[in-house]
Amino acid sequence: AQTVTQSQPEMSVQEAETVTLSCTYDTSESDYYLFWYKQPPSRQMILVIRQEAYKQQNATENRFSVNFQKAAKSFSLKISDSQLGDAAMYFCAYSSRPEYGNKLVFGAGTILRVKS
Amino acid sequence: DGGITQSPKYLFRKEGQNVTLSCEQNLNHDAMYWYRQDPGQGLRLIYYSQIVNDFQKGDIAEGYSVSREKKESFPLTVTSAQKNPTAFYLCASSGGQVSFEQYFGPGTRLTVT
Repeated sequence: AQTVTQSQPEMSVQEAETVTLSCTYDTSESDYYLFWYKQPPSRQMILVIRQEAYKQQNATENRFSVNFQKAAKSFSLKISDSQLGDAAMYFCAYSSRPEYGNKLVFGAGTILRVKS
Repeated sequence: DGGITQSPKYLFRKEGQNVTLSCEQNLNHDAMYWYRQDPGQGLRLIYYSQIVNDFQKGDIAEGYSVSREKKESFPLTVTSAQKNPTAFYLCASSGGQVSFEQYFGPGTRLTVT
């Protein structure tokens, strides 16, 4: 079974600075998908960024980028120019290929605090 | 507006009662999912359905039941057999084999006393 580990329960960053959230996973599959979701105080889960394992290029979405190291089974999220609105719980998630059910396996989450 | 709706936002029940949580989507997605979130923890999969009239158990299905009679709807029943039903419940949908991203509803907070 796949597992996802987020080793940082809480992180803090100064507004306009850069922060990196860590995620490692365990799987025997060769093709899969990885995601970062954001959960603000409203508790709505918002998709931040996704990465297909077969793509070597790291995904980027505006101020959000990932460092995907397939051999190390590592998938970190970098947030540049942090804003107050980035404060939230961030979850790393793993998904098998859609034909295997597309189920998400989540890490325990990292609380990100942004200081003004 | 396309999206996923869950109702109600807050739900209170007495111990021993069954309760049904609603989840509706108008995204024309084939697959739908139910997750449970406990304080300080990630989400855990309860049930999922990849197509109408078919569903599979997730990691924590005991004490829950679902139905998928329509593509748009995937209600979750929390039965009296669920030992710790108080939690935040999230419904999600995806295009299934066409699109693998899951989109979430706003969630229902269930409190059982």
